Amino acid sequence: DAGITQSPRYKITETGRQVTLMCHQTWSHSYMFWYRQDLGHGLRLIYYSAAADITDKGEVPDGYVVSRSKTENFPLTLESATRSQTSVYFCASSDFGGSDTQYFGPGTRLTVL
Amino acid sequence: ILNVEQSPQSLHVQEGDSTNFTCSFPSSNFYALHWYRWETAKSPEALFVMTLNGDEKKKGRISATLNTKEGYSYLYIKGSQPEDSATYLCALNYGGSQGNLIFGKGTKLSVKP
Repeated sequence: DAGITQSPRYKITETGRQVTLMCHQTWSHSYMFWYRQDLGHGLRLIYYSAAADITDKGEVPDGYVVSRSKTENFPLTLESATRSQTSVYFCASSDFGGSDTQYFGPGTRLTVL
Repeated sequence: ILNVEQSPQSLHVQEGDSTNFTCSFPSSNFYALHWYRWETAKSPEALFVMTLNGDEKKKGRISATLNTKEGYSYLYIKGSQPEDSATYLCALNYGGSQGNLIFGKGTKLSVKP
């Protein structure tokens, strides 16, 4: 299917476990982003990528790792999950930076017990 | 970290009312301003991207204006309908060609039939 997809949609894990959230887009957009949504904070940028093999930190990168070996995929890994990482995670993509619209995936709801 | 402020935090109107809300940002750092509409349990959808001082954009009953000199944007909804109920997000790009956005916390609009 065309567009931007995320998997899994829901995930429950335990403190200390490694978790990887997947994001895939079919538009060949250059830019991809990971956000987390928490009550009282709105959407906060975790990491972004301007192209394959180029990634950069956002506002809240601690505890997360990203990679972008292929343009269409941008996985987000929680190396050792903590309860504070319980959140809804959104992936987004855009063709250009700055003034270009970002298109969001459906989100992954992650619960860390 | 630059602050993007949205007001009011929430708004309750009757069907047929017109309404507006505000996004404020530091005027000294500006590249583009985005408005998104975010329905509960869905992902944010782009409404407008605005880059020039004095920009006005319109999509159906929704319109937006931008004042980069004083650092604000208004979103207007004419004749609100229940299907307009959503959270309206403002996001600022301050990094030029870099894609990353700083989001406000949103204005949650509820339209009663």
